[in-house]
Amino acid sequence: SQTIHQWPATLVQPVGSPLSLECTVEGTSNPNLYWYRQAAGRGLQLLFYSVGIGQISSEVPQNLSASRPQDRQFILSSKKLLLSDSGFYLCAWSVQDKAFFGQGTRLTVV
Amino acid sequence: SQKIEQNSEALNIQEGKTATLTCNYTNYSPAYLQWYRQDPGRGPVFLLLIRENEKEKRKERLKVTFDTTLKQSLFHITASQPADSATYLCVLLPTGGFKTIFGAGTRLFVKA
Repeated sequence: SQTIHQWPATLVQPVGSPLSLECTVEGTSNPNLYWYRQAAGRGLQLLFYSVGIGQISSEVPQNLSASRPQDRQFILSSKKLLLSDSGFYLCAWSVQDKAFFGQGTRLTVV
Repeated sequence: SQKIEQNSEALNIQEGKTATLTCNYTNYSPAYLQWYRQDPGRGPVFLLLIRENEKEKRKERLKVTFDTTLKQSLFHITASQPADSATYLCVLLPTGGFKTIFGAGTRLFVKA
């Protein structure tokens, strides 16, 4: 069966430090992959999506970037975190009509 | 502008009653609409999908309706239980689109 792994679950980082969140999917090939951010009381905001290795589409201008070095690996990065980058980050993959989410990373920038 | 709206106020109901959550959208022609459940600090979990040509879909105690004229979907949980307490997200995929659009969710509390 397919599973999605996202880590770490929580992260506290100082302003100006780099960020790397990783997501891997098992049990499927060539999935569509997504990074979302969820602010308290708000809907999920799509940050990046990828339809294949090395193919990244950015939805909103921001301090973040994404990469897909392997078919089932999706990485969210930043060179220098801002306070406004704090939030709940979710990785997801989709097939046909359904999306499957990782457990999320609670990022607090201090 | 395009919007998808869910009641931002929490819904409090008594165990055993039917919970009804509303999702309204404007300026979209959804190919389909989904409902997800999200528990605090966790990722959303897919529950049900209903297509634009379907009026109603059921799964165990869950029922979803889709009215493309009213631009509204209703999500029902019958015989609700405290374990149903969570946030429920409405999600749509615009016709011809690739990216799903998420509502902010409605928090449901079921009291024993």
